[in-house]
Amino acid sequence: DAKTTQPPSMDCAEGRAANLPCNHSTISGNEYVYWYRQIHSQGPQYIIHGLKNNETNEMASLIITEDRKSSTLILPHATLRDTAVYYCIVRAWNSGNTPLVFGKGTRLSVIA
Amino acid sequence: KAGVTQTPRYLIKTRGQQVTLSCSPISGHRSVSWYQQTPGQGLQFLFEYFSETQRNKGNFPGRFSGRQFSNSRSEMNVSTLELGDSALYLCASSLEKLGTPGANVLTFGAGSRLTVL
Repeated sequence: DAKTTQPPSMDCAEGRAANLPCNHSTISGNEYVYWYRQIHSQGPQYIIHGLKNNETNEMASLIITEDRKSSTLILPHATLRDTAVYYCIVRAWNSGNTPLVFGKGTRLSVIA
Repeated sequence: KAGVTQTPRYLIKTRGQQVTLSCSPISGHRSVSWYQQTPGQGLQFLFEYFSETQRNKGNFPGRFSGRQFSNSRSEMNVSTLELGDSALYLCASSLEKLGTPGANVLTFGAGSRLTVL
């Protein structure tokens, strides 16, 4: 079973920041938080990952609370192409034989 | 840099037949994982191979099998197809370099969409 909880759906106006929350209250010390997204009928796409520090890349920012029990993925300026299902996953690093466990994710709809 | 390539992209089979799907990972990636995605069950892990060895297997019947070749290319096979096997089958590869968490990032292919009639 997935170790994360996400809202089933969210809407965001185009050009605004999209903030996608994720609860992972049982996360272990050696587990990273990974975010993937899946645009309709395509394979999931990696977005970002982090352990305890906030992370930023060209796609998004990841904010992890100090107790690591929750995190927020931020898409700073959402576009229509960001409409997708976003998955938050916790996975231990150096765990090549531990599969990614996908939950139901959050369906983000970016509205013009 | 070429991504993960899956073939065929679409295929239609009838119940009782068998099917083989192919996956070519990113060059240098030695880990290949397979997932099944259906509207009802979402993304479910099938199995993972590393250096030609199956390291992990999901909760699927024995009709689902796979293998990995020395060049890291992988195939999965489903025998005696059932209607419920209709799904998008996704392959993902990762570099998996010990000590580098970012190397455990999975890169997915576009998938093979199987329809069983």
